[in-house]
Amino acid sequence: GENVEQHPSTLSVQEGDSAVIKCTYSDSASNYFPWYKQELGKRPQLIIDIRSNVGEKKDQRIAVTLNKTAKHFSLHITETQPEDSAVYFCAASSYNFNKFYFGSGTKLNVKP
Amino acid sequence: EPEVTQTPSHQVTQMGQEVILRCVPISNHLYFYWYRQILGQKVEFLVSFYNNEISEKSEIFDDQFSVERPDGSNFTLKIRSTKLEDSAMYFCASSEGWVGSTEAFFGQGTRLTVV
Repeated sequence: GENVEQHPSTLSVQEGDSAVIKCTYSDSASNYFPWYKQELGKRPQLIIDIRSNVGEKKDQRIAVTLNKTAKHFSLHITETQPEDSAVYFCAASSYNFNKFYFGSGTKLNVKP
Repeated sequence: EPEVTQTPSHQVTQMGQEVILRCVPISNHLYFYWYRQILGQKVEFLVSFYNNEISEKSEIFDDQFSVERPDGSNFTLKIRSTKLEDSAMYFCASSEGWVGSTEAFFGQGTRLTVV
């Protein structure tokens, strides 16, 4: 089955700096890659997603890039703010399976 | 904004006891899921449910587990005889369509502690 690896497990940045979280996947059939943000004590919420027919997608300060050949995708957060502090999960799925395979999560700490 | 709601937020149970975790999915959603996250590990798929039946289950979802949509609004996960290794955060999720085509919404989770 699919295996999603996520790095780093923790990331500490200064406010205003950029943060990058990377994920790799193993199944070339995967074609949908969402990113979820989970603040302490709250539900995971979708912040951005990308499909395999697109190489990059941007939404204000966040962007996701996908390299299908290398089977990796990354989350980029620019101009980080303290409210970006949370755990971020990457995931993969495809039309072949109606479920997500999650990465292990990255705890992002943005220091004011 | 509609939300997936889970109750209770935290459940402590004795080993061997039955527990029922409850979820209220978003009302117009057709697909329902349970995931779990053991402390320090990845979020893992347990089961998906569509049209009043299980559509897929993982190898974790053995005979001790069952799901039910008893009244058209609630979606429950029952663990018949809990084990210490069932201690985890359990997430319910729902979606209008397959997760690759529509957004999946997650509940805030139920932390199950088996003692």
